[in-house]
Amino acid sequence: GQNIDQPTEMTATEGAIVQINCTYQTSGFNGLFWYQQHAGEAPTFLSYNVLDGLEEKGRFSSFLSRSKGYSYLLLKELQMKDSASYLCAVRDRAGTALIFGKGTTLSVSS
Amino acid sequence: DTAVSQTPKYLVTQMGNDKSIKCEQNLGHDTMYWYKQDSKKFLKIMFSYNNKELIINETVPNRFSPKSPDKAHLNLHINSLELGDSAVYFCASSPRTSGGGETQYFGPGTRLLVL
Repeated sequence: GQNIDQPTEMTATEGAIVQINCTYQTSGFNGLFWYQQHAGEAPTFLSYNVLDGLEEKGRFSSFLSRSKGYSYLLLKELQMKDSASYLCAVRDRAGTALIFGKGTTLSVSS
Repeated sequence: DTAVSQTPKYLVTQMGNDKSIKCEQNLGHDTMYWYKQDSKKFLKIMFSYNNKELIINETVPNRFSPKSPDKAHLNLHINSLELGDSAVYFCASSPRTSGGGETQYFGPGTRLLVL
């Protein structure tokens, strides 16, 4: 079956660094995505990994290890506006829909 | 300027009614999708569609049917609405590229409440 696991909730303080982990077991692998979703809004694309290693985009970085079925999203210099749900998603075949995890709700406090 | 748009944004209706949600994308993408996000915020694929192929998630009841008048539109029609259909429905689109990526862009969502 298809399974994507990530923690349900995390809390952190402004200025800190937080790492959100995601593990997956899927029938195939054609890329891993991270999306951010603020309450009442649509998911917005953050990052994409298809090869092992780290992809950096400003304050956000995403890491992938295909052999371990593992990814993480690293958020640096946290800001209050980073409070949101972070969704890990895998595409198991090219041209198909994403399989989403249940999301991690991150709360950033001052 | 809106990339992926959906109408209506909110939909409140009675059980047993038939309703449609419209989706349009102006990104020139080849593939469009419908996702359902339940009260626990779990986002699950319902359909993916391009000009050649419709892929249906086998768990989706046949009361739900996608209709695509052209490449830029994928509407969702729901017959005989049930209480359990209450959710947020997101349309999304992605390009078909050979280099991977194929990032999906989401519409703003339609909040459906069945009474």
